[in-house]
Amino acid sequence: DIQMTQSPSSLSASVGDRVTITCQASQDISNYLNWYQQKPGKAPKLLIYDASNLETGVPSRFSGSGSGTDFTFTISSLQPEDIATYYCQQYDNLPRVFTFGPGTKVDIK
Amino acid sequence: QVQLVQSGSELKKPGASVKVSCKASGYTFTSYAMNWVRQAPGQGLEWMGWINTNTGNPTYAQGFTGRFVFSLDTSVSTAYLQISSLKAEDTAVYYCARDVSGFFQHWGQGTLVTVSS
Repeated sequence: DIQMTQSPSSLSASVGDRVTITCQASQDISNYLNWYQQKPGKAPKLLIYDASNLETGVPSRFSGSGSGTDFTFTISSLQPEDIATYYCQQYDNLPRVFTFGPGTKVDIK
Repeated sequence: QVQLVQSGSELKKPGASVKVSCKASGYTFTSYAMNWVRQAPGQGLEWMGWINTNTGNPTYAQGFTGRFVFSLDTSVSTAYLQISSLKAEDTAVYYCARDVSGFFQHWGQGTLVTVSS
């Protein structure tokens, strides 16, 4: 089974800071990597799909990159409404399996 | 617009069963797979498996075989998650999520299942 790791597990940054989260897969997953944002008490929300594609309606300060085993999620200028936990998720079609990373909690300093 | 509306919170005793519903609207129900995701209190997201809404064939992730059953009623565009022989460790929020080419574009609001004597 493919394992996903994320780092850091939590971070605290100031409004306007650039925030970067990394996600690593235990084997090559091509670009089959998605990013979700989850605010407390709410369902997760898709932000980035297929490693680097911005979901419709998501602010452009969010971006993703990477392929193979190493991926990066960036918030270019942290806003107060970005306080949330962010999860990466990989998917495999043969067989159909999805695996979430452990999450990164982002707070305002 | 696409909506997934789940049934309300449940409080169950150990050993009981629970059935969570996920009613879809705004799209052709049988055109997209439906997934189930568990989130224990204070924990991360855990994919439970998926159901092919065209054939009704369920696939369960490791750790979710035996007591967990996915089903459908396509006449009312609804997916179901049934959990039997409930244990305290089944206490969690359960989400349904529509699958679009490998990503979960739409989610239900979540259903809290609490197992306590």
